[in-house]
Order: sequence, then structure tokens, then C-alpha cells
Amino acid sequence: EAQVTQNPRYLITVTGKKLTVTCSQNMNHEYMSWYRQDPGLGLRQIYYSMNVEVTDKGDVPEGYKVSRKEKRNFPLILESPSPNQTSLYFCASSLSGAGANVLTFGAGSRLTVL
Amino acid sequence: QQPVQSPQAVILREGEDAVINCSSSKALYSVHWYRQKHGEAPVFLMILLKGGEQKGHEKISASFNEKKQQSSLYLTASQLSYSGTYFCGTVSTSGTYKYIFGTGTRLKVLA
Repeated sequence: EAQVTQNPRYLITVTGKKLTVTCSQNMNHEYMSWYRQDPGLGLRQIYYSMNVEVTDKGDVPEGYKVSRKEKRNFPLILESPSPNQTSLYFCASSLSGAGANVLTFGAGSRLTVL
Repeated sequence: QQPVQSPQAVILREGEDAVINCSSSKALYSVHWYRQKHGEAPVFLMILLKGGEQKGHEKISASFNEKKQQSSLYLTASQLSYSGTYFCGTVSTSGTYKYIFGTGTRLKVLA
């Protein structure tokens, strides 16, 4: 089944404790991206990747890192999480970054930083 | 800057129609529409490309006016399953491949 898989789905952590949210897709998509969703603010892009070793900032990249060493994986790294990073996170992928291609989303990861 | 959607929220009775608008301050070359149920991931509904429109889903259709930088989503004879939050989305035209979502419209259909 074609899908985007995120882990963990739920995580409670403390300020400053590094964490990684993994994202993997099995559709051979070139474009992968991360979003955070907060009440009243909708979905905002954190980072995106056009292909292996090619990443760029979205609208809200502060406090996050990403890497794209393999085509199928695009982990989101929070080096020193803070409470304002408490949010619902989605990973999504598409065939390419062009406007004609549809995003397929993972199920989401709900992160709470205490 | 995020495309602005209107209305922010709407409540319908089953069988009623609704229109959701998406307006951008920048040129749009394509518009995507997604629906998100509470606590779930957004799900693709349809895509509209410059120069045309495309119907993609059940009794839901959409239009795309490139000159006005607007798109509208039309839901006819609404069903309970249509409840959720609707987002328009587009790829930035700034030369990057940023993806930008609209502000969202919460739609609730009552029996």
C-alpha cells in the first residue's frame, strides 16, 4: 500500500531533550516536506526536500533540522525542543515539487514539550 | 503570505450547498483542495491547473480564476461526511518549492 509513515504518533518530552520524528514513504517520491499545525494558524511548512541531499526552509524552520540521505526517508530533528514546539506535525510527499503534484500525508505526530 | 479562505466556518443542514473561497495576494499557477477530519491527516480532493479546472470528487467541484487569483470549492447536496476543515494549497511562485496552505474553512453538516 502506498503510504507515508511517521513515528512516533504521540510523544511527550521535556525542554531540551533532543528528539527525532521519522518519516518514510514507499512511493519513490522526490519531494518530501514537514508541516506543523496549530489551532488558528492552519498548516505551515517547516522544511522541504526536492531530492536526496537537497533541502530548503519553509515558512517556520526555526528550531528544526532535517536531512535527506535516502530518497524514502526525511526525518525531522528537534535539537533542543521548547514548549512553543508543542504541535501536531505532518510529513507529506509528492512525485515532485511542481504545482501539478498532489501531497500524500502521513497520519501525524502529536508532540508535547513540557 | 497565506491564501485567505472565506468563510472561516459554516454550518449546513444535510442537502444544502456551500461555497468556500480561496484568495491569494500572489499569482496562482495551480490550486489544490484538501479536506481534514478532526485529528486526521489532510486528504486530497482535487487540483486545478492554470488554464482549466478539474472535477475530482463526489458532488464536489471547483473553479479557478487565474486573473483574480482566486479559487472556489463548491459542495452540493452536502452529506454528513463532508464535515471537516477544508484547505486550499499552492506552490509558492517565488522560485522556490515552498508549499503554502490557506487559512482553512471549518464546515459542519448537521442531520
